[in-house]
Amino acid sequence: KQEVTQIPAALSVPEGENLVLNCSFTDSAIYNLQWFRQDPGKGLTSLLLIQSSQREQTSGRLNASLDKSSGRSTLYIAASQPGDSATYLCAVSSWSGAGSYQLTFGKGTKLSVIP
Amino acid sequence: DAGVTQSPTHLIKTRGQQVTLRCSPKSGHDTVSWYQQALGQGPQFIFQYYEEEERQRGNFPDRFSGHQFPNYSSELNVNALLLGDSALYLCASSSILTRQPPSLYGYTFGSGTRLTVV
Repeated sequence: KQEVTQIPAALSVPEGENLVLNCSFTDSAIYNLQWFRQDPGKGLTSLLLIQSSQREQTSGRLNASLDKSSGRSTLYIAASQPGDSATYLCAVSSWSGAGSYQLTFGKGTKLSVIP
Repeated sequence: DAGVTQSPTHLIKTRGQQVTLRCSPKSGHDTVSWYQQALGQGPQFIFQYYEEEERQRGNFPDRFSGHQFPNYSSELNVNALLLGDSALYLCASSSILTRQPPSLYGYTFGSGTRLTVV
């Protein structure tokens, strides 16, 4: 059974700092990994999708890396802004063994960027 | 291009009642998955529908059931509501065939339905 862990559970940084969020998964047989952002009480917004054959993806100030063999991914946020404050969720897509693919989430990292 | 649409956005029900939540997938997507997200937790997989059939199911009781229509939209039904069913219910759509890795596609999520059971 795939399990996803995110560390830290919460993070508070001053505006302008660079920061790293961590995600680990137990079964390295994944097809892709997706980072999402969730604002309080809202749905999920996809930030980056890394396919299993890729090592990293970049979008603006965000960079996500994937080391499938070690079961780890990191989300790097450069020059953090107060608007980056949200919960960041990591999710992996893997074969469920029941004829389809399943997305498994971590519990998220709650980020607060202090002005 | 419309994304995933969920309705209603908020709902308050009494313990023991039944509820139906609705989801319209993103244009071009044919697979719908439902997730339950309790406060402070990550989303938990409920079930997935493709070709109008339930393809896989998470660790949820039979009180949770669903349906997919020919236009790919989906409903989530919860019977005999418990206080613990209070959560944000998320619908995700994707374009994956059951035997093809979704390596080129991610999942698109709706904004969710906030269900409160009192």
